[in-house]
Amino acid sequence: EVQLVESGGGLVQPGGSLRLSCAASGFTFSSYWMSWVRQAPGKGLEWVANIKQDGSEKYYVDSVKGRFTISRDNAKNSLYLQMNSLRAEDTAVYYCAREDIVVVPAAMPLYYYYMDVWGKGTTVTVSS
Amino acid sequence: DIQMTQSPSSLSASVGDRVTITCRASQSISSYLNWYQQKPGKAPKLLIYAASSLQSGVPSRFSGSGSGTDFTLTISSLQPEDFATYYCQQSYSTLGYTFGQGTKLEIK
Repeated sequence: EVQLVESGGGLVQPGGSLRLSCAASGFTFSSYWMSWVRQAPGKGLEWVANIKQDGSEKYYVDSVKGRFTISRDNAKNSLYLQMNSLRAEDTAVYYCAREDIVVVPAAMPLYYYYMDVWGKGTTVTVSS
Repeated sequence: DIQMTQSPSSLSASVGDRVTITCRASQSISSYLNWYQQKPGKAPKLLIYAASSLQSGVPSRFSGSGSGTDFTLTISSLQPEDFATYYCQQSYSTLGYTFGQGTKLEIK
């Protein structure tokens, strides 16, 4: 069964740090881009960061640049999110998601990415 | 940054109704548009990718259309299990994805 399981959430004070983990199983983890997506209480979805299969490319939403670091360990089938300098507005459920791709052949191939497998999420609360 | 705007933000409908949700991008995103369904306390579920391709296992009453800046998600005949919140998401920008603000579909 294809599965993603997040862990590492909890209560942390403003300015503190937390490291989230996401354990993947049931598929070849090293073959996929992976993303973190968060959802603040009562709010919509916000993409946070993603990472290429080999870790050579990483992208972040502006609000977390310089504070969060996404990484992966393909030998352990695991994705991570190191969160530093946490703020109250970082309070959310954090989901990890697999990015699948469909390639449409053309003179210049078209690559359509989408998040097809999601974990159940882990809750991060930043509060004093 | 590419902004995604959904309309309406909320919608009341009855079982059996045909429902359409609209998503507009702040710039052309070709067909790099995905739709997700989320129920309370649950993770999002992929419905449609590349604007109009139905994800495996998703009922055929769901369909997507559009390209450029304007997209629609249509549910042809609402079922009780379809009452949820729906999000569009662009994957055009490799520098970062963005979601629409969501459309909450409620029972009338």
